[in-house]
Order: sequence, then structure tokens, then C-alpha cells
Amino acid sequence: GDSVTQMEGPVTLSEEAFLTINCTYTATGYPSLFWYVQYPGEGLQLLLKATKADDKGSNKGFEATYRKETTSFHLEKGSVQVSDSAVYFCALTANTGNQFYFGTGTSLTVIP
Amino acid sequence: DADVTQTPRNRITKTGKRIMLECSQTKGHDRMYWYRQDPGLGLRLIYYSFDVKDINKGEISDGYSVSRQAQAKFSLSLESAIPNQTALYFCATSHPGLAHTELFFGEGSRLTVL
Repeated sequence: GDSVTQMEGPVTLSEEAFLTINCTYTATGYPSLFWYVQYPGEGLQLLLKATKADDKGSNKGFEATYRKETTSFHLEKGSVQVSDSAVYFCALTANTGNQFYFGTGTSLTVIP
Repeated sequence: DADVTQTPRNRITKTGKRIMLECSQTKGHDRMYWYRQDPGLGLRLIYYSFDVKDINKGEISDGYSVSRQAQAKFSLSLESAIPNQTALYFCATSHPGLAHTELFFGEGSRLTVL
């Protein structure tokens, strides 16, 4: 069945460091891929998404590219800030959009 | 006001008690979901509903039931709460009919079962 595997945390970085959080997926067909972010005490909110191979999603300085050949959707940011401290979830939905599958989440802490 | 509202936000209860978590949305979406979040396990789907007359079990429905009272309301019940149901619960909605739709989440309901 469909599934998402993401890098385990927690991850601790200094401010302005480069961030990569790995995400790989298993799916039949052509899924849509998402990164959600959960700030402390809040619900999940969409960070970025990509709906077809080679698409790049981007938002707030974060980027992820849909790589069908490696079944990956790694999240990157060139220079993290303290305000980026949160839990990040990779997710997919099959092209029917009926169900969503989430990774286990990666906790990021950015220290000044 | 939030588009997806969950009540209560926090609840502490005892083993064996019946608990209801409520979700209401103003987004006009037909699809609604209940997820459970546990540390290290991510989000797991409990139940989902694609319209008022449609209810479907997710991967961890045992011990839970749901009711879709209206397009905008979807409640989750624990008939007899047990400690391993202590978790953070999220309601979510999505737009019907779009293959590449996204989920919109409420702020969560933290449940503690003693």
C-alpha cells in the first residue's frame, strides 16, 4: 500500500544553517506530495506541495522537488531561523485524493 | 475565527468514561477526517466521511465511533475510554472532487485518559 518514510529526528540546527529533511514514498500511480508544518500548540498547516514529477513546491524559503525516479520529496531550506522550529510532516495522496498518508514527523529545533 | 474548529481543546477523563470530540467547519467541504497523533507514530486515520451519508473506517477505528450530523459537523466518540487512547486528535477537511486537494486541519484536541 501507499506509505511515506521520513527522516527521524529530532534535528537541532544553529540559526542560518542549511536544512534537509529526507522523505521517500511508496505509491501506485502518480501521487501528490505535501509537506505540512506543525508549530508548537497548533494544528498542521500546509507548507508546500507538488502534484507531478519534477514539480518544485516552495514557500517561506522552503523547497522540495518531486523526484519520481528516486521516489523522494526532500525538504530543504538554505538558512533556517529560530521561528522555523516545528514538527514537519511529509505526506502523500493518491491521484484519487481519497486518503492521505503521513510520515512520522521530524522535529526541528533551531538555536540562536 | 478558525475555519475548522475543534472542541474541547483539552480534556482529562477517567478510564471507562464516554467522551465526544466535536468538529465543525465553515469551509463548505464535503470531506471530513479524524486523525490521531502520537509521538513517533505521526498521524493515523481513525475515520473519514465524504458526505453526510458516508462513513468509512480508517486504519485505527477500533474503540472509536463517529457521527456526521451535517455537512459542517463531524464528531468522534470514545464509548469507553482507555489510557492508550491518550493522544492529540485532529479533525481535517478537504475539498471534494479534486485529485490534488490538500487537507485543512483544526487546532487539535488533547485527550488524557487516566
